[in-house]
Amino acid sequence: QSVLTQPPSVSGAPGQRVTISCTGNSSNIGTGYDVHWYRHLPGTPPKLLIYGNSHRPSGVPDRFSGSKSGTSVSLAITGLQAEDEAVYYCQSYDSSLSGWVFGGGTHLTVL
Amino acid sequence: QVQLVESGGGVVQPGKSLRLSCAASGFTVSSHGIHWVRQAPGKGLEWVAVISHDGKNDNYADSVKGRFTLSRDNSKNTVYLEMNSLTPGDTAVYFCARVSAPYSNNRYNWFDPWGQGTLVTVSS
Repeated sequence: QSVLTQPPSVSGAPGQRVTISCTGNSSNIGTGYDVHWYRHLPGTPPKLLIYGNSHRPSGVPDRFSGSKSGTSVSLAITGLQAEDEAVYYCQSYDSSLSGWVFGGGTHLTVL
Repeated sequence: QVQLVESGGGVVQPGKSLRLSCAASGFTVSSHGIHWVRQAPGKGLEWVAVISHDGKNDNYADSVKGRFTLSRDNSKNTVYLEMNSLTPGDTAVYFCARVSAPYSNNRYNWFDPWGQGTLVTVSS
């Protein structure tokens, strides 16, 4: 059971918009610790997608965006493309565990 | 080019030890902390441990505390993860990742970049 809760899977057709939620509690997201998002494909290293809740590193398309509200954050992907199929993880810090934590991961399927 | 390369994985019997290496290039490990994250087969990412840029602080997940130890060799620009008393539950791909900001132990930092990972299999 991950400290940060993500839906196991989401799906959408090419061109559509999907959102992936990441829900925490008062020991992590609710305390104000930033949330970061990574995309992971099998056999490759995870890649940073969003940092500091809503900031995109250079090279990440503006189709990807992040937002935060209370103890939840969301990753939105617009204009879905086949290459967006991957597992997406949120990550933050948890003060009660005194360590960094990941969500369980969300597998995105492009129909 | 900033890069991390893990090595040292393999098959090991339960109760034995293994040392993983994370060799850095394009930056110095004395300027950035290094995290280790693992992914068990069919599972998600699990944070394992972190060593600070100055080597003065390290922190471990409860699941490995007391069994795993981080160290660093600045002359080789490499961070090591010494894993003792291994169990089948430690079977995973182990990634090292750089703390995003230099000279920072900030909990708000993110992990970037990541290495390709090295597979550790604990089995008799």
